[in-house]
Amino acid sequence: SQQGEEDPQALSIQEGENATMNCSYKTSINNLQWYRQNSGRGLVHLILIRSNEREKHSGRLRVTLDTSKKSSSLLITASRAADTASYFCATAPYSGGSNYKLTFGKGTLLTVNP
Amino acid sequence: DAGVIQSPRHEVTEMGQEVTLRCKPISGHNSLFWYRQTMMRGLELLIYFNNNVPIDDSGMPEDRFSAKMPNASFSTLKIQPSEPRDSAVYFCASSWVADTDTQYFGPGTRLTVL
Repeated sequence: SQQGEEDPQALSIQEGENATMNCSYKTSINNLQWYRQNSGRGLVHLILIRSNEREKHSGRLRVTLDTSKKSSSLLITASRAADTASYFCATAPYSGGSNYKLTFGKGTLLTVNP
Repeated sequence: DAGVIQSPRHEVTEMGQEVTLRCKPISGHNSLFWYRQTMMRGLELLIYFNNNVPIDDSGMPEDRFSAKMPNASFSTLKIQPSEPRDSAVYFCASSWVADTDTQYFGPGTRLTVL
C-alpha cells in the first residue's frame, strides 16, 4: 500500500516561478526523502530529512517536515525547464533496522514551461 | 563511476517465456534493491540484498519471481513464466550498507509481456 501521497498529481508553471509539492504519509517515519525522475530514466535522490528535523535546504530545494501533521513539502525556487520531471516522496519506517524499506508515493509531474 | 547498470533497457517477450533482468551495482555498495514501477501501483520494493544475501523478499509477488546475487557486482531478477501483468519498469538500486538511506537507481528495464 502507498505510504506517501503527493499533491498535486500534476503541476505546470512558468520558468522562474516557484514550485511547491506536498507529501502526506500515514505511519511514523525515520526519515523522508525526495527523488526526481526524468521521463524514461531512473530516480535521482534529491534530499533527505530526518524525523527530528523540520527544514532542510539544498541549492534551490527547500524541504519541510511536519511530523504532527505527517506531511512534507518540497519547494523548488526559480524553476528551470530542466526541472521538468516527476517528483516522488519516499518514507523510511520508524522501526529499527528497516530504514532501507522505502515506500514511494505516486509522484507529482512537474512541467516547467520556457 | 558508471552508476548502476541495468540490462537490457527494453525487453519484449511473449507470455510464458522466461525473462532475466540484470543489474550491476555501484562498486563498493553493499546493498542492492529491485523495484517494480507501474502506473497503477507506483514504485514497489521487490527484494533487498545486503552483502549478497537476500534480507527481505516480502515484496516478491509470487513464486514466478526469483532473484539472485552471486557476487557483489551482479544480480539477476528472473520471471518464469512471464505474464502480461508483469509488464512494468524494473529498477535496480544500490547503496552503501552504512547508509542505506540514499539509494542510487539504475535507468531501469522496461518489460513488455505480450
